[in-house]
Amino acid sequence: GAVVSQHPSWVICKSGTSVKIECRSLDFQATTMFWYRQFPKQSLMLMATSNEGSKATYEQGVEKDKFLINHASLTLSTLTVTSAHPEDSSFYICSAQAGAGNNEQFFGPGTRLTVL
Amino acid sequence: GENVEQHPSTLSVQEGDSAVIKCTYSDSASNYFPWYKQELGKRPQLIIDIRSNVGEKKDQRIAVTLNKTAKHFSLHITETQPEDSAVYFCAARAGNQFYFGTGTSLTVIP
Repeated sequence: GAVVSQHPSWVICKSGTSVKIECRSLDFQATTMFWYRQFPKQSLMLMATSNEGSKATYEQGVEKDKFLINHASLTLSTLTVTSAHPEDSSFYICSAQAGAGNNEQFFGPGTRLTVL
Repeated sequence: GENVEQHPSTLSVQEGDSAVIKCTYSDSASNYFPWYKQELGKRPQLIIDIRSNVGEKKDQRIAVTLNKTAKHFSLHITETQPEDSAVYFCAARAGNQFYFGTGTSLTVIP
């Protein structure tokens, strides 16, 4: 149980295009989903926290108009990188948490974004 | 916001020896401290966690200690094995957000 999937696993796009990444909780309802960014050999940097049906809470320094997050259902959150640039190339990982008071978060496999 | 620091950044131990990784946090309101193991190219996996009302927790070869007063917590791995080689991250939950340490690359030498 507690499986989180991400799609796509790897995407290559041209500079200036937008890319959507999906995060799904497959066998549980995720009231909260988190989006992280991870550079090679570095830690996970929390970008934003999204709760189903409400606007995401972005961490300081993360542009909300650049990284659009939608958490439309209890099993799906999307991250859209708008007008991507090479510096947006990174590994994006989502995680999902089931219910209030449940601390554990389950990670997706990650999406590698390469912007040419 | 919360600031989590982790040391050391790299750690090499002989198989069978113990490994200790330490983290400090800044927000006294943080109340949940998980540890994750991330193998190359894979997602982080929870290996052990501790809540703020507990000082120590053990699961077979892995243990975590928490000192709330000093705001630090540590991961202890005993009888290390080559398959323990990975990057380990500590994290602290402050409010509804998780903040990660910078990671420790552990190498267990056979």
